[in-house]
Amino acid sequence: GQQLNQSPQSMFIQEGEDVSMNCTSSSIFNTWLWYKQDPGEGPVLLIALYKAGELTSNGRLTAQFGITRKDSFLNISASIPSDVGIYFCAGLNYGQNFVFGPGTRLSVLP
Amino acid sequence: DAGVIQSPRHEVTEMGQEVTLRCKPISGHNSLFWYRQTMMRGLELLIYFNNNVPIDDSGMPEDRFSAKMPNASFSTLKIQPSEPRDSAVYFCASRPDSSYNSPLHFGNGTRLTVT
Repeated sequence: GQQLNQSPQSMFIQEGEDVSMNCTSSSIFNTWLWYKQDPGEGPVLLIALYKAGELTSNGRLTAQFGITRKDSFLNISASIPSDVGIYFCAGLNYGQNFVFGPGTRLSVLP
Repeated sequence: DAGVIQSPRHEVTEMGQEVTLRCKPISGHNSLFWYRQTMMRGLELLIYFNNNVPIDDSGMPEDRFSAKMPNASFSTLKIQPSEPRDSAVYFCASRPDSSYNSPLHFGNGTRLTVT
């Protein structure tokens, strides 16, 4: 079946640093979503991408839909302590269910 | 704007007991999903409903698990009898049918511990 890989699995960064993470698949997707999960909470949608090559921002977050449609990237600029959490990517094709990645766990050191 | 509401937030029970998890989707959302999250397996889709009808239950682990959606505003996931390996966080999510790629909206989950 379809699987998503996320890299890195976890990362520790200093407050103020920029963050980059990615999501890759052996299959193509028509939609990419990025979610963030805070401890003890459910995943919350950050950014949705619907077109290959699309670059979308949401505040300090920027995500891109890869040209090959097999990957997506999420960048966070000037990280702050509340950025701590697990970031999930999800891919979707018509007529199929969402496929979720295993997540990237982000820790921000003050 | 109320999101997806799940109850209880935490459930601790003994092996063999029946467990019922509840979900109220966002009003107007036609599709409802139940996921299970563990450290080992991540987010797993258990079952999803469209217009209150179960569409795909291939992710339900075994016959001990059952789910119902008696109306558009309520769904339950039941485990009977529960086992320690069922311990996980169970999420309900909903989405509108306005487009096939409308994002999922998750509740805050029920953390289940079976001792």
